[in-house]
Amino acid sequence: EVQLVESGGGLVQPGGSRTLSCAASGFTFNTYAMSWVRQAPGKGLEWVSSVSGRGDSTYYAESVKGRFTVSRDNSENTLDLQMNRLRVEDTAVYFCAKMGPNWGSPFDSWGPGTLLTVSS
Amino acid sequence: DVQMTQSPSTLSASVGDRVTITCRASQSISRWLAWYQQRPGKAPKLLIYLASTLQSGVPSRFSGSGSGTEFTLTIASLQPDDFATYYCQQYNDYWTFGQGTKVEIK
Repeated sequence: EVQLVESGGGLVQPGGSRTLSCAASGFTFNTYAMSWVRQAPGKGLEWVSSVSGRGDSTYYAESVKGRFTVSRDNSENTLDLQMNRLRVEDTAVYFCAKMGPNWGSPFDSWGPGTLLTVSS
Repeated sequence: DVQMTQSPSTLSASVGDRVTITCRASQSISRWLAWYQQRPGKAPKLLIYLASTLQSGVPSRFSGSGSGTEFTLTIASLQPDDFATYYCQQYNDYWTFGQGTKVEIK
C-alpha cells in the first residue's frame, strides 16, 4: 500500500525559510515522479512543483519559481521542498503526491498534508 | 497557461440525485483531464483520469466525459459519502486545477 507522510510544517516569519519533507513507502520510489500541491485555508488546490523519478528534472509554478527548490533522495525514499523568502500568501497545507505511471500523469496517491503558516 | 473553470461552485442535492459538474479549459487539452474528490480535512482522491477512465476502486456511479475544452463529472445516484468538494485538473500542460465544486446536502 502506498504511504506518503509529510512533515516540517509550522509557523515561520515572512522572509524566512523552511524545508518540508515527505517519507514514501509501499512502491518503488525511484520509478515515479513526485509533486507538491498546496491548499491555502478555505481555498482550492494549487500545483507547486514536480520532480522526475531520477531527480534530474524539476518544474515549478510561477508563484514559487526562484524561491522553492524540490529534491529527492532515492536511497532514503524521501522528497523535500526547500522554501526560501516565504510570504504570507505561502500559508497553506502542503501535500506530497505521487504521479501516475507516466511523466505528466495526474496524482494517484497523496499524503495527509502538513500545514505551513507564514505570519509575524 | 491553461485555466480551468468549474460550474457550479456549489451544488445542493439529496441522496439518490443524479449530479453533474462541468469543467471548461481555456484551450484544448484533448482528454488530459482528471477529477478528484476531497472530503473536509482530507487529502484529495483521484477518481477519474483521461477524462473518462475510472481509477481502480472508485464506484461505478462516478463517470466522466468530454474532450477538448468541455468536460463533465456525473454521479449517477448520490450517496452519503459523496458529499464533498470535487476538482478537475488538466495535465496537458503542467497541472492546473479548477476552483472546485462543493456538493452539499439539500
